[in-house]
This record gives sequence, C-alpha cells and structure tokens, in this order.
Amino acid sequence: QVQLVQSGAEVKKPGSSVKVSCKASGGPFSSYAFSWVRQAPGQGLEWMGGITGMFGTTNTAQKFQGRVTITTDESTSTAYMELSSLRSEDTAVYYCARYSGYYRPGYLQHWGQGTLVTVSS
Amino acid sequence: EIVLTQSPGTLSLSPGERATLSCRASQSVSSTYLAWYQQKPGQAPRLLIYGASSRATGIPDRFSGSGSGTDFTLTISRLEPEDFAVYYCQQYGSSQETFGQGTKVEIK
Repeated sequence: QVQLVQSGAEVKKPGSSVKVSCKASGGPFSSYAFSWVRQAPGQGLEWMGGITGMFGTTNTAQKFQGRVTITTDESTSTAYMELSSLRSEDTAVYYCARYSGYYRPGYLQHWGQGTLVTVSS
Repeated sequence: EIVLTQSPGTLSLSPGERATLSCRASQSVSSTYLAWYQQKPGQAPRLLIYGASSRATGIPDRFSGSGSGTDFTLTISRLEPEDFAVYYCQQYGSSQETFGQGTKVEIK
C-alpha cells in the first residue's frame, strides 16, 4: 500500500530555513506528482506548491514564490520542501501528499503524517 | 486565484441526521475539478470525493458530492459517529490549487 513517511518535527529560528522530507513507497516514484500543504495551529489547509512526476516541473502558490523550493530525488523516492526566511507565522504542520498520477494539478489521494515546524526565537 | 468559500462554518447535528455542506467558488471551476477531504483532530486529511461526485476508494456511499461551475455540495446522508470532523473542499481546475476554509460538523 502507499505510504508517505515524513521527517520529524523541527524548531527553527526566525530568518532561517527548514527542509522537510517525504519518503514514498507503493508504486513507481516518478509516476506520481507530489504536493505540499500546510496547516497553521487551529487553521485550515493551505496549498503551497507541487511538483510533477517524470519531468519535475514545479508550481508554487503565489504567496510562497521566492521562499519555497520543492524537489524530488528519484534514487531515494523522496520529495522535499524547503522554506526559507522563516517567520513566526510559518509555524504549522506541513503535509506532503501524492496526486493520483504524474501530472498536476489534481486531487490528493495519499497524505503523509505531517511534520510540525515551529519558528521561535 | 480561485477563492473557495465554505458554508456553514459549523454544522451541529445528531447521529442519523443528514448533513449538507456547501462550497462556492469565486469563478467557475473547470471540468468539475473539485475534491472534498475529511480531517479528524491530529490526523492528516483523507480524500473523500474527486471530480465533484466520484467517491474515493473505500469511502462509504453515504457520502456524495454534486455540483458544477461555482456551486458544489457534499452530502452525508446519515451521520455516523465517525463522521464528526472538519471537511474541506479543494479546486484543482487551475494551476494555483486552493482549499476552502473548512466546515466543522459537530455533535449536537
């Protein structure tokens, strides 16, 4: 079955960067696109960006352009999301999710367990 | 960017009752590219409905989706205790995907 296992919780200082990983199993890695969605405490879901399978084309929400980098490593079946210039408002649970196919946009069929990133001085 | 507005914010119902959740888009969602997710406290979201009306694998048939254009609805025909949760709609008809702010279905 499909499993997306994310890296552990992080505590970061304002102005620094964080890189969250998402290791996928169940199905050929390059056949699927991946997305990153975050959820601030007590708030709703916020789409951050996505990356297609096969060609690795990325698309980022306008709000995060210039601050977020989404990549994949096919050799380890892992997707990554790096967020820079962190501020307190970036404190949230970050989810990776897999689309139903190699293309995006699309619906998010499988989700990781989430990674809590806390930004605090 | 397409803005999705969900209503009501909170729905207070009893087990066995019918729940009707609304998701309205600021502009037409192409090809009914609208999905619904369920999220319980401390858990990741779970896909319920895609393509506005297709149930995801393993989703009970008490969940149904409908709508097109700018108005979409998620209906839970008879609420089970495990259905009390927060529900989100998502549009994926544009390259900038967006979520609604969520509707909480709580026990009355």
